[in-house]
Amino acid sequence: DAKTTQPPSMDCAEGRAANLPCNHSTISGNEYVYWYRQIHSQGPQYIIHGLKNNETNEMASLIITEDRKSSTLILPHATLRDTAVYYCIVRVADNNDMRFGAGTRLTVKP
Amino acid sequence: GAVVSQHPSRVICKSGTSVKIECRSLDFQATTMFWYRQFPKQSLMLMATSNEGSKATYEQGVEKDKFLINHASLTLSTLTVTSAHPEDSSFYICSARLAGWKETQYFGPGTRLLVL
Repeated sequence: DAKTTQPPSMDCAEGRAANLPCNHSTISGNEYVYWYRQIHSQGPQYIIHGLKNNETNEMASLIITEDRKSSTLILPHATLRDTAVYYCIVRVADNNDMRFGAGTRLTVKP
Repeated sequence: GAVVSQHPSRVICKSGTSVKIECRSLDFQATTMFWYRQFPKQSLMLMATSNEGSKATYEQGVEKDKFLINHASLTLSTLTVTSAHPEDSSFYICSARLAGWKETQYFGPGTRLLVL
């Protein structure tokens, strides 16, 4: 699976949009981009995933560049409860495992 | 989303004893379940992949005789830490793979193990 690069930490003001970048320059054509988050002392929570088109659900939006070498997770109106470590993972859809990098620690501040 | 539960959520045991952790997919059948371990301030590390009705596949460096995995049904996988020692103290997290075109994994809430 392709390797991902994320900033180690980011801050965001409550109520503002949080934009979390992820670089995956070695992604191959059949690899999806997945986003999970882990709130302190809990299991990871699935957020969203996509292949090449932008995706949106009730939690977030995923913007994937046309060359697919990077993506951005957007939390449109961040709340204090969105403070967590956010993981960007790329993998082939039918591959068995999900492997985690260091992620980005997002802190939403009042 | 799909729900995965773990039991117990927290366990304290004496060194040398064995501890069993259960992972259940509550509203779907999971042919594949995964076990992860997370030490403080570190990311999740995959320990093993468990397929229903067959032997688990362990990651390099994970002792299969120490971390026994059983996946007897499509909704239950168990991890037994045998002869636990203080260095086995960690946060153990399972996940279940929801079959279908999206192939998404859903994670349990985790089990915190403290070995004294």
